[in-house]
Amino acid sequence: SAVISQKPSRDICQRGTSLTIQCQVDSQVTMMFWYRQQPGQSLTLIATANQGSEATYESGFVIDKFPISRPNLTFSTLTVSNMSPEDSSIYLCSVEVRGSSYEQYFGPGTRLTVT
Amino acid sequence: GQNIDQPTEMTATEGAIVQINCTYQTSGFNGLFWYQQHAGEAPTFLSYNVLDGLEEKGRFSSFLSRSKGYSYLLLKELQMKDSASYLCAVRDRGRDDKIIFGKGTRLHILP
Repeated sequence: SAVISQKPSRDICQRGTSLTIQCQVDSQVTMMFWYRQQPGQSLTLIATANQGSEATYESGFVIDKFPISRPNLTFSTLTVSNMSPEDSSIYLCSVEVRGSSYEQYFGPGTRLTVT
Repeated sequence: GQNIDQPTEMTATEGAIVQINCTYQTSGFNGLFWYQQHAGEAPTFLSYNVLDGLEEKGRFSSFLSRSKGYSYLLLKELQMKDSASYLCAVRDRGRDDKIIFGKGTRLHILP
């Protein structure tokens, strides 16, 4: 298993500003992901955070809006840039543990409100 | 492309049994997961199926039929704490083995 922490747990931000979310894992993991979950919706994959190289973004998400860093195998950051109210959501960090079932574990999430 | 369909909401009674269905389409099926998510919390792993058949884990069981693109999650002896959203998710080889989530089923348990 893996224990994941995220900072901040929540924030209220003004339109046009940026917020960086940190994700820390208690063990080295190869695969780390960032998801978004808008109110009442399921999880949408934003990108895969790759260690030592640029993140791989899903359709509809771009690096200029959601820059991601992955300096090592236990840490990643996601920045939500030039925020608008539509960015209000929960952002979740997730890691994959390749045991018998390739489980994904999720961090507690960061609840972002943009005013 | 990829599609994961599950009912939006279900209601069941404490002590009863409920079955949550999930159908999917992938370009390269490589495993199906069920997650539980309580309101305001992160999803937690419930089960994993990669071969056809039933996987039982306590009060929860999950079934998979790859030929039909179909799975269900069976919850027995329902308890009030089982009120949550249940997310069906599929690993897709056609998308670099990423896990893609369905919209989830909100399960309401009545006393």
